[in-house]
Amino acid sequence: GENVEQHPSTLSVQEGDSAVIKCTYSDSASNYFPWYKQELGKRPQLIIDIRSNVGEKKDQRIAVTLNKTAKHFSLHITETQPEDSAVYFCAASKRGGSEKLVFGKGTKLTVNP
Amino acid sequence: GAVVSQHPSWVICKSGTSVKIECRSLDFQATTMFWYRQFPKQSLMLMATSNEGSKATYEQGVEKDKFLINHASLTLSTLTVTSAHPEDSSFYICSARSLLADNYNEQFFGPGTRLTVL
Repeated sequence: GENVEQHPSTLSVQEGDSAVIKCTYSDSASNYFPWYKQELGKRPQLIIDIRSNVGEKKDQRIAVTLNKTAKHFSLHITETQPEDSAVYFCAASKRGGSEKLVFGKGTKLTVNP
Repeated sequence: GAVVSQHPSWVICKSGTSVKIECRSLDFQATTMFWYRQFPKQSLMLMATSNEGSKATYEQGVEKDKFLINHASLTLSTLTVTSAHPEDSSFYICSARSLLADNYNEQFFGPGTRLTVL
């Protein structure tokens, strides 16, 4: 089955710097790669996703890149702010209604003022 | 749009009792709902996948007789933790996939239910 590896497990940056979180997946049939932000005690919040038919997607300060050949995808946050501090999860899923999302283990991002 | 609710948001129960958690899609019909469990400082662990009108598919290691899932309609799925024990204390989160979704598995998450078993 699918396996998603996420690195680093913790990341500390200064406000205004960029943060990059990387994930690799094992199943070449996966075609959907969302990123979630989770604050303590709250639901995972979808912040951006990318589908296998594109290589990059950007939404303001957040961007995701996908390399299907190497089977890895990355989250890029620019101009980080203290409110970006949270745990970020990547996930991968194959095509199909009952296919599950396989999550990475998460990255705790701390943005220091 | 695409709002998923869960009830209750938190519950405390005695060991040996059963607890039911509801997951509702408020503004869309969900063909498939997923139930996750999350322990502190860990990732989401899928427990089971449920499709409306059929039996749930449980992940390896999840006891189907302990975690009863019912998906009776396109907007409601329930998870019942039977004979709860302290080790069942966790954050339970559901997600739902829209009937109208394309081939990409976008899921909408509920706010979670914090279960504490004394």
